[in-house]
Order: sequence, then structure tokens, then C-alpha cells
Amino acid sequence: SQQGEEDPQALSIQEGENATMNCSYKTSINNLQWYRQNSGRGLVHLILIRSNEREKHSGRLRVTLDTSKKSSSLLITASRAADTASYFCATDSTGGFKTIFGAGTRLFVKA
Amino acid sequence: DGGITQSPKYLFRKEGQNVTLSCEQNLNHDAMYWYRQDPGQGLRLIYYSQIVNDFQKGDIAEGYSVSREKKESFPLTVTSAQKNPTAFYLCASAQQGKNQPQHFGDGTRLSIL
Repeated sequence: SQQGEEDPQALSIQEGENATMNCSYKTSINNLQWYRQNSGRGLVHLILIRSNEREKHSGRLRVTLDTSKKSSSLLITASRAADTASYFCATDSTGGFKTIFGAGTRLFVKA
Repeated sequence: DGGITQSPKYLFRKEGQNVTLSCEQNLNHDAMYWYRQDPGQGLRLIYYSQIVNDFQKGDIAEGYSVSREKKESFPLTVTSAQKNPTAFYLCASAQQGKNQPQHFGDGTRLSIL
């Protein structure tokens, strides 16, 4: 089955810096989503980008999608300690109702 | 406030025992999902339901069972046939349709005694 794979697996930055996470997937998609998970909690939906969109913004978040390369990136600008979490991309499965999650990028923002 | 509630937060299972994890939502969502998350890993789909009285197996359904008798409720039973049940279990709900944004509960951590 297709799967989003995040890169890097872990990222450590200073507060105020930008954080960039990447996601690659294998087959055509209808849309791609990014979620955040704080330690020991459920996932929180951040943003959805459709296959016909190239870029989307939400507050300090910027998501890009390149369907020709089957990849997406999530940029968090001016990071804060509260951004420390795991970030997952999720894609739809071909012809079905399943959502496929990647293994995630663990982001640590140092104050 | 609308949301999705999982209980209990922590659960311990004895060998040979079946245990049931509760998931309730008041978001009026048609679709509900159960995922398993192992340490440092992503989510793997156990079962999902697009509508009441109907559900489908996900990628790792063996050793698990579900029911969907009410729109609001989607309980997961971890049976004794699941030999490695220790994990973090997450329930989610969404509006009907493909890859709709999912709302998650705060999970149940299951351990073996």
C-alpha cells in the first residue's frame, strides 16, 4: 500500500528558527494532510492540501505539494518550544477509504 | 464541546483475557477508525467503519474485533488471539468521504500484566 514517508526522522532546532519536514509517497493521491502529535496524546489535524494545489498557508505553517515528485513539505516558521511534537503526513489510499500515515518526524524545539 | 473520548486511558490485560476499549464521539461523524501505534512508529489501521452497522478490516485486524451499533460508538475488543497487544490505541472519527480530516481521541495505552 502507498505510504507517506517523512524525512528527517528527527529534527532539533533553536526557538525562533524555521523547521522543514518532508514527506514522500508512492502513488497518485486526492489530497495530503499533515497532523501533529504531542507526546502521549492523539493526533491533531493541521492542514489539508488537495492534489491540484501547490501551496497552502495556515498561520506559521506553509505546506507545499509537488505531485510530479510525489512529495510534500511542511515549514513551521519562527518555531516555539510549544511546537515540540511529532509531525505526520497522511495520504488517501487508491480507491478506498483508508488513510495512510507515515512514521513521522520528531521535532524538538529548544528554548 | 464536541469531541471524541477514549476510555480508559490506561489498561492492563492478563494473558488469555479479552479487553474492550471504548470510543465515543459527539461530532455527528459517520466514519470512525481504530489505529495502533507502537513506540516511535506511525499509525497502523486496525478497523474502520463508514456507517452504522458496517465496518471493514484494516491492515492489522487479526486478533481484534469491533462493533458499530450506534453512530456515536465504536468499541474495539483486543482478544486473546492478539499475542502482542502492548501498544497505544487511537480512535478517530471523520465526516464521510475519502481522506477527510480525522479527529482523534487521546488514546488508550494497553499493557500486558
